[in-house]
Amino acid sequence: KQEVTQIPAALSVPEGENLVLNCSFTDSAIYNLQWFRQDPGKGLTSLLLIQSSQREQTSGRLNASLDKSSGRSTLYIAASQPGDSATYLCAVRFKGYSTLTFGKGTMLLVSP
Amino acid sequence: DAGVIQSPRHEVTEMGQEVTLRCKPISGHNSLFWYRQTMMRGLELLIYFNNNVPIDDSGMPEDRFSAKMPNASFSTLKIQPSEPRDSAVYFCASSTTALDTQYFGPGTRLTVL
Repeated sequence: KQEVTQIPAALSVPEGENLVLNCSFTDSAIYNLQWFRQDPGKGLTSLLLIQSSQREQTSGRLNASLDKSSGRSTLYIAASQPGDSATYLCAVRFKGYSTLTFGKGTMLLVSP
Repeated sequence: DAGVIQSPRHEVTEMGQEVTLRCKPISGHNSLFWYRQTMMRGLELLIYFNNNVPIDDSGMPEDRFSAKMPNASFSTLKIQPSEPRDSAVYFCASSTTALDTQYFGPGTRLTVL
């Protein structure tokens, strides 16, 4: 059974720190991997989509990497701000399935 | 574009009642997904449609749940009869194709008493 795991479940950092969120998945045969952000009481917002042929994607202060062979992805947030506080979810589209399998997320709190 | 639109945003009902959740996908998107989110189980796919046709409904928990997509701009998720364990946030998402970025609606928070 394909599974996606995110560690840690929660993370608290002071403003200005660089941080890394981790995502691991059980099968290296994937189409792509997507990182989302969810604010309390809101829907999910797509941050980055990495295709299986790519190693990383960048958007502003965010950088996502993908290592298929080890079944891992990381989301790097540079110079964190209180506005980055949210839950970050990793979702994998495994080969043979056109739907996403989600991790349970990492709840990030950036304190001023 | 207004994004994915869901209604109602909140629904409180009593056990045994019928509940209908509605979704309008982004115009031009051919794939539509219904998810359920709970603290215990996280985000789970219930069903997805491609070009208005249900492709994978393996996540639908039981016969009390049904979903329809009568046209490219509208979908419903119905629960009949509802039970307290159905309480969750239900999200609708759409994408250009099934392999592309998914865009989520704001969700419907369902409480079954």
